[in-house]
This record gives sequence, structure tokens and C-alpha cells, in this order.
Amino acid sequence: EPEVTQTPSHQVTQMGQEVILRCVPISNHLYFYWYRQILGQKVEFLVSFYNNEISEKSEIFDDQFSVERPDGSNFTLKIRSTKLEDSAMYFCASSGLDRVRSEQYFGPGTRLTVT
Amino acid sequence: SQQGEEDPQALSIQEGENATMNCSYKTSINNLQWYRQNSGRGLVHLILIRSNEREKHSGRLRVTLDTSKKSSSLLITASRAADTASYFCATGSGSEKLVFGKGTKLTVNP
Repeated sequence: EPEVTQTPSHQVTQMGQEVILRCVPISNHLYFYWYRQILGQKVEFLVSFYNNEISEKSEIFDDQFSVERPDGSNFTLKIRSTKLEDSAMYFCASSGLDRVRSEQYFGPGTRLTVT
Repeated sequence: SQQGEEDPQALSIQEGENATMNCSYKTSINNLQWYRQNSGRGLVHLILIRSNEREKHSGRLRVTLDTSKKSSSLLITASRAADTASYFCATGSGSEKLVFGKGTKLTVNP
């Protein structure tokens, strides 16, 4: 069964460093998302991406964040200058043809630890 | 309460019993999705119910949706120890994003 994959599973970085989190969505999906979950808290929406552009973003997704689909398979989240409060589990998700009525399938997550 | 609030926050039952978790939300929705998360792991999609549906089944899962009460329930029948996890509802309201609740932590004791 197709699944969303993410790499790395765990990333440790120092405050102020740039990190890139990588995702391979399900191959025939058209909509891509990033969410994050700070330890013990709710899963929060960051950004959605369709047709090579951001379609929606949350207040969390400020200028320090960017997303890119550099080729036909990868979808990346970049944090330019990490802060301690960026420590969280980051989930990539994808969905199919109907953005408002389709299931969103999540990857296993990347645990980001900022020290 | 915020969009997508589950209750109870924690539920402990014996293997073989049924587990019922509830979710309430505030705004109108297009769909509501239930997910399972094992400790520290990814989110596994369980079931999606659309706003024009009232009930859906998938294996041992039964989901109901009452749009007049803005609530949904997830029933797991004949629970197993492997069902131990956190369960989240997430609402889709016409935009791409899903809004998650805080989850119900289910423990099934063998």
C-alpha cells in the first residue's frame, strides 16, 4: 500500500542552524501538507501546497519557514534559523484529487530537536 | 472548547470491551477524520466521514456524525491490547487544513 515517507526520522541541530526536512508524498497525490506536534500538544497545521505554490499557511509558518517541491517526488520543509521552540515532531501529509473531502495520509514524522 | 475536542482525555478498558471516544467541534465542517497515534509515532488514518453522512463502519470501527450537535463518536468493538494508542479527531472545514483535537489516550489492558 502506498505511503508517505519522511527523512530523517530524527534530527538534532543547534539553535540558529538551518534544517531541511524531507518527505516523499504518495505518488498520485496532488496536495501536500506540513504539520507539527510539540511534545504533549495538539497536531498543528503549518502549510499546504498545491500546483507548486503555497495554498494556505498558518500563523506559525513565518518567514523562517519555506517549502519546496524540487522534483516530481520530494516535498521539503526548510527552517532557516532554528529556535528552541521549533523542537517538535514534524509530519508531512498528502491527499488526492479533492482537497476538501479527501483523506490526508501522514508520514511517520521527523523528530526535530533544537539544542 | 476548541475545534475538535475529544473526550474522555484518557480511557482504560479490558481487552474484549468496547471503547467509545467522542469529539466535539464548533464550526461547520466538510468532513471529519479519525487518526490513531502510537506513542511517539506517526498518525495512522482510520476513517473519514463526510458532513452528509451519519455513520460509517470499517472493520471493528464505527464512526457516527451528528452535525446538529457538532459531534462525532468513534467506537472500537472487541478491543485488543494492540489498540492501545491515542486517538484524534480532525475536522476539515472547506480549506486544506485539518484541525486536530487533543486526543483520547486509550489503554487496553490484556
